[in-house]
Amino acid sequence: KQEVTQIPAALSVPEGENLVLNCSFTDSAIYNLQWFRQDPGKGLTSLLLIQSSQREQTSGRLNASLDKSSGRSTLYIAASQPGDSATYLCALYGNKLVFGAGTILRVKS
Amino acid sequence: SQTIHQWPATLVQPVGSPLSLECTVEGTSNPNLYWYRQAAGRGLQLLFYSVGIGQISSEVPQNLSASRPQDRQFILSSKKLLLSDSGFYLCAWSVQESYGYTFGSGTRLTVV
Repeated sequence: KQEVTQIPAALSVPEGENLVLNCSFTDSAIYNLQWFRQDPGKGLTSLLLIQSSQREQTSGRLNASLDKSSGRSTLYIAASQPGDSATYLCALYGNKLVFGAGTILRVKS
Repeated sequence: SQTIHQWPATLVQPVGSPLSLECTVEGTSNPNLYWYRQAAGRGLQLLFYSVGIGQISSEVPQNLSASRPQDRQFILSSKKLLLSDSGFYLCAWSVQESYGYTFGSGTRLTVV
């Protein structure tokens, strides 16, 4: 059974810092890994999708990496802004989509 | 471009009343459709998924049901709501799971 863990559970940083969110998983037999952002009371917004054959994806200030052999993915956010404050979820698709519990990020101005 | 719509955005219903939440997808054909629930302080739980009209699979036994009367329409229902049905309900679609999922904006259901 796939288990997904996200560390840290919560993070508070000053504006401008570069930061890393971590996602680890137990079963490397996955097709892809997707990072989502969720604002309070809102739906999920897809940030980055990494196929199992890929090692990383980039979009603007975001970079996500995938290392299947070690069962880890990281989401790197450069030059954080208050607007980045949200919950970040990683989800893996093997034979079904499994979510981590999320990291609550607060960027202070 | 593809879009997904959910309504209503918020709903307050008394215990024992019926429920109908609707989700529609535009800009794609034959999508896989999903209903998830996100309870307070907990992760996302898959409730139902559908690979085609009239084809519904249930992941967990519960007080809810789902239907897919049209290719791009997915409905979540209940005949009699329980307090434990409160939560944030999210609809999602994928054309193929390996291409990722797209989620709707969600419905906040409070059963009182």
